Amino acid sequence: DGGITQSPKYLFRKEGQNVTLSCEQNLNHDAMYWYRQDPGQGLRLIYYSQIVNDFQKGDIAEGYSVSREKKESFPLTVTSAQKNPTAFYLCATTGRSKAFFGQGTRLTVV
Amino acid sequence: RKEVEQDPGPFNVPEGATVAFNCTYSNSASQSFFWYRQDCRKEPKLLMSVYSSGNEDGRFTAQLNRASQYISLLIRDSKLSDSATYLCVVTLDTGRRALTFGSGTRLQVQP
Repeated sequence: DGGITQSPKYLFRKEGQNVTLSCEQNLNHDAMYWYRQDPGQGLRLIYYSQIVNDFQKGDIAEGYSVSREKKESFPLTVTSAQKNPTAFYLCATTGRSKAFFGQGTRLTVV
Repeated sequence: RKEVEQDPGPFNVPEGATVAFNCTYSNSASQSFFWYRQDCRKEPKLLMSVYSSGNEDGRFTAQLNRASQYISLLIRDSKLSDSATYLCVVTLDTGRRALTFGSGTRLQVQP
């Protein structure tokens, strides 16, 4: 089945650690996105990529980094510079203008 | 002004009620419009696309008014299972930042 796979589903991070969230898609979509969602809030764009080897900052990119070395993969690294990383992270792609989402990663700082 | 604005709710309605959600968008170049449903702690899922002619899918009706830059979703005969957050999504078919989300409207259907 075509789709988007995010892993892990739950992630715990100690303060000062970098962690990487995985996003893989087999939909053959060019555009990929990372969003952050806080409880009771909407989706905020962290980074997006329209094509391999190219990505752009979204509205809240500080403390995050990404890479797009392959069309299928768009990993997100939450660095120690991100002061409040506890949130629900969603990866998405677009095809025919519609958005498709992974199941999300819930990151908690312990 | 936000690019896509929605009433955050919550809307608390009894089973069987009709409820309407509204969404306004600021970019007149927007091309495609959708309603997504998001259950608690889950990813958003496509509910329906929105067309200028209006479209209906069972108990759900979506309308688009390009002149007023306004989108609506009507849910008839609400069910308990309709309780969720409804996200308005607007896309640009060109340019880099194709997706724009509203912050969502929460619906709670009560028995």
